[in-house]
Amino acid sequence: GNSVTQMEGPVTLSEEAFLTINCTYTATGYPSLFWYVQYPGEGLQLLLKATKADDKGSNKGFEATYRKETTSFHLEKGSVQVSDSAVYFCALSANAGGTSYGKLTFGQGTILTVHP
Amino acid sequence: DSGVTQTPKHLITATGQRVTLRCSPRSGDLSVYWYQQSLDQGLQFLIHYYNGEERAKGNILERFSAQQFPDLHSELNLSSLELGDSALYFCASSGSGLSYNEQFFGPGTRLTVL
Repeated sequence: GNSVTQMEGPVTLSEEAFLTINCTYTATGYPSLFWYVQYPGEGLQLLLKATKADDKGSNKGFEATYRKETTSFHLEKGSVQVSDSAVYFCALSANAGGTSYGKLTFGQGTILTVHP
Repeated sequence: DSGVTQTPKHLITATGQRVTLRCSPRSGDLSVYWYQQSLDQGLQFLIHYYNGEERAKGNILERFSAQQFPDLHSELNLSSLELGDSALYFCASSGSGLSYNEQFFGPGTRLTVL
């Protein structure tokens, strides 16, 4: 079945540091890939997505590139802020036609804490 | 604000009881998904409804059931509750067209079983 593996957390950084959160996946076919963010006490918000190989998703300074050859979708940000402190989830969704179509398969989440 | 609403926000109940969680999708979205978030299992897909019909089931216990009504809101029913059912329950909705696979999450219902 489909699975997503994220780097172990938590991650603690100083403001303006560079962020990388690794994500690799296992899936049949050509899934869509997502990063979601969860702030304390809130639901998940879609941060960015990519639907095919070599696509780059970007939003709010975050970006991730769909790498089919390495089955990866690593999240990066050049300069983090205190307000970026949250839990980040990598996820995949099988595209139309598969039996797993629609549902999201999540990684275990990575807690990011940014200090001033 | 995602446009997805869930009620109640918090629910505290006892083992053996039955509860109903409610979800209203974004206006126009036909798909509703339910997920369970717990410390030991992470985020797990439970069930997917599309325009009133069940489309897919995930790791949903037989004690749990769901339905989607003609007005597209959905309810998740949890019965014979156990301590291990304590978790955050999220619903999400998605539309059609190019954004069919983007899911928008509600704020969740935190269930505590004592």
